Amino acid sequence: GESVGLHLPTLSVQEGDNSIINCAYSNSASDYFIWYKQESGKGPQFIIDIRSNMDKRQGQRVTVLLNKTVKHLSLQIAATQPGDSAVYFCADLEPQNTGFQKLVFGTGTRLLVSP
Amino acid sequence: NAGVTQTPKFQVLKTGQSMTLQCAQDMNHEYMSWYRQDPGMGLRLIHYSVGAGITDQGEVPNGYNVSRSTTEDFPLRLLSAAPSQTSVYFCASSYASLDQYTQYFGPGTRLTVL
Repeated sequence: GESVGLHLPTLSVQEGDNSIINCAYSNSASDYFIWYKQESGKGPQFIIDIRSNMDKRQGQRVTVLLNKTVKHLSLQIAATQPGDSAVYFCADLEPQNTGFQKLVFGTGTRLLVSP
Repeated sequence: NAGVTQTPKFQVLKTGQSMTLQCAQDMNHEYMSWYRQDPGMGLRLIHYSVGAGITDQGEVPNGYNVSRSTTEDFPLRLLSAAPSQTSVYFCASSYASLDQYTQYFGPGTRLTVL
């Protein structure tokens, strides 16, 4: 079936480095993608989103890149800080016939930032 | 605004017991939903609601009931708890418009069924 998945389960970086978290998706009809950050013991927190008519979108210290040709999504975090340590999920939307947009989550990548 | 609140934070049940997980939001969001998160996995949709009085099933609805009598509240009921329902449960809410589409998640309820 359709799925959103991640390449690496754990990514370890040094403080100050740039981090790149990758995600592959299989539903070629997906047109909206979201990255979430989940800290230990908390619910997922929205980071950034991107529509399929865009290749790149930038936020504060984060950039999301979308390559529709190979169905690949990445989240880049600049100057990674210890507070960025968390599990990161990519998700895409599957519209339901009720109008609700169901989030389909990948399995997550754990980012570990060492000082 | 308190955002999305969930109670309780932790719960231990015995097999066969029933209970209700509470969820409330004060952002006047039309959409609300329940997800479960199992170790090493992403979230999976249990049930959702597009407005008061309207609910529908998600990916893993078996063993759970929901109702939406008000815009603010969306409780999740476990009818007869089973060990397979041990998980962390998250409630989320959002506006109905895709242009404003951001799901806000609650802090979660960690449920253990013995």
